[in-house]
Amino acid sequence: DQQVKQNSPSLSVQEGRISILNCDYTNSMFDYFLWYKKYPAEGPTFLISISSIKDKNEDGRFTVFLNKSAKHLSLHIVPSQPGDSAVYFCAARAITQGGSEKLVFGKGTKLTVNP
Amino acid sequence: DTGVSQNPRHKITKRGQNVTFRCDPISEHNRLYWYRQTLGQGPEFLTYFQNEAQLEKSRLLSDRFSAERPKGSFSTLEIQRTEQGDSAMYLCASSPFGRAAYEQYFGPGTRLTVT
Repeated sequence: DQQVKQNSPSLSVQEGRISILNCDYTNSMFDYFLWYKKYPAEGPTFLISISSIKDKNEDGRFTVFLNKSAKHLSLHIVPSQPGDSAVYFCAARAITQGGSEKLVFGKGTKLTVNP
Repeated sequence: DTGVSQNPRHKITKRGQNVTFRCDPISEHNRLYWYRQTLGQGPEFLTYFQNEAQLEKSRLLSDRFSAERPKGSFSTLEIQRTEQGDSAMYLCASSPFGRAAYEQYFGPGTRLTVT
């Protein structure tokens, strides 16, 4: 049961253009959503997050939008740079039955920014 | 602050052998997580420690898996009687006290190959 879904395995954009990565979720109890970036042979690196009570959060070239009614979020990267080429994971925070916190990840989208 | 470190980075073992991985979190991070990532998937939660207490274990963590965090510092993950299905990247993450655990800092992972 994939609670966090990234339906596009890959995305290719030209340098300087906008990259839009999408993510859907099914669990309405998620209270925070995050995007992580992962380069080969490295662990995921936290990029940006958004609370479920917000609809937008911006940090430099990165903006995350949340549409709670549609259970959909997206990451916009403007302008895209070749160094942004990586796998991007969407994740959501879940509170477990024991009261602990864990992240639930999507399968990732591989972004390639062409020079 | 040198980040989360994991050792070894790679481990090749024969089916049926035991393996142990180590994770050193960022100093003073009291929360520590283990995740497993297989090819084409996002990280999947395995277990969570707050200080030395293991507060949550996923059902993915079979009886062959055991994790410890003595004295609330480094953590070890042991897999007994390894199976080919255990082949994966094992990721460790930590987060600091007093902040929402959703911002987790990941190590580079240990890639396990069971032959």
